[in-house]
Amino acid sequence: ETGVTQTPRHLVMGMTNKKSLKCEQHLGHNAMYWYKQSAKKPLELMFVYSLEERVENNSVPSRFSPECPNSSHLFLHLHTLQPEDSALYLCASSQDLTTSAYEQYFGPGTRLTVT
Amino acid sequence: QKEVEQNSGPLSVPEGAIASLNCTYSDRGSQSFFWYRQYSGKSPELIMSIYSNGDKEDGRFTAQLNKASQYVSLLIRDSQPSDSATYLCAVLPSGTYKYIFGTGTRLKVLA
Repeated sequence: ETGVTQTPRHLVMGMTNKKSLKCEQHLGHNAMYWYKQSAKKPLELMFVYSLEERVENNSVPSRFSPECPNSSHLFLHLHTLQPEDSALYLCASSQDLTTSAYEQYFGPGTRLTVT
Repeated sequence: QKEVEQNSGPLSVPEGAIASLNCTYSDRGSQSFFWYRQYSGKSPELIMSIYSNGDKEDGRFTAQLNKASQYVSLLIRDSQPSDSATYLCAVLPSGTYKYIFGTGTRLKVLA
């Protein structure tokens, strides 16, 4: 198991609901990421935080709202989602963004189903 | 558009054989390369990273990098049924922190 945890592991929500995904890393890393993984598609980078500052917002719809209160925690707030947003949402962390060899470690993911 | 290409498979090998997984990438300036294993319903797990041309061995796994030909491969010796998974290749182009992932190759090791 990696030092990255995610809750909940499974989430079913209606299109009018508001929910949040939580990620916590215990590796002392400075960078955290949100990815979306859909069937038959490569991992899609959504957001990147470095030392609690957002450095990447990869053209993600505003119905996804990230929050990074400190370097160990990352949230993804969800509201008014669409069925096509159903996917596996993965959190990852790496030591930082400035070295050339920053390996990313993934959490177990949240399987999201939007009904 | 920077791309990473992998054959989706499935690649079927008998138990005990060598499994060879390949990946090509488009950005010639890429410096860092990673292999992840992803079991069905699970998250990607980092198994190898390689940064220099040549081979890098870790247990039953060997990563091979050829920057001139822009490919990276993963060899799994003495394949076991527990190696059955999807293997993701990830490339880090120079000057960026954004990994480019391939769609993965599904490996099936037959007992």
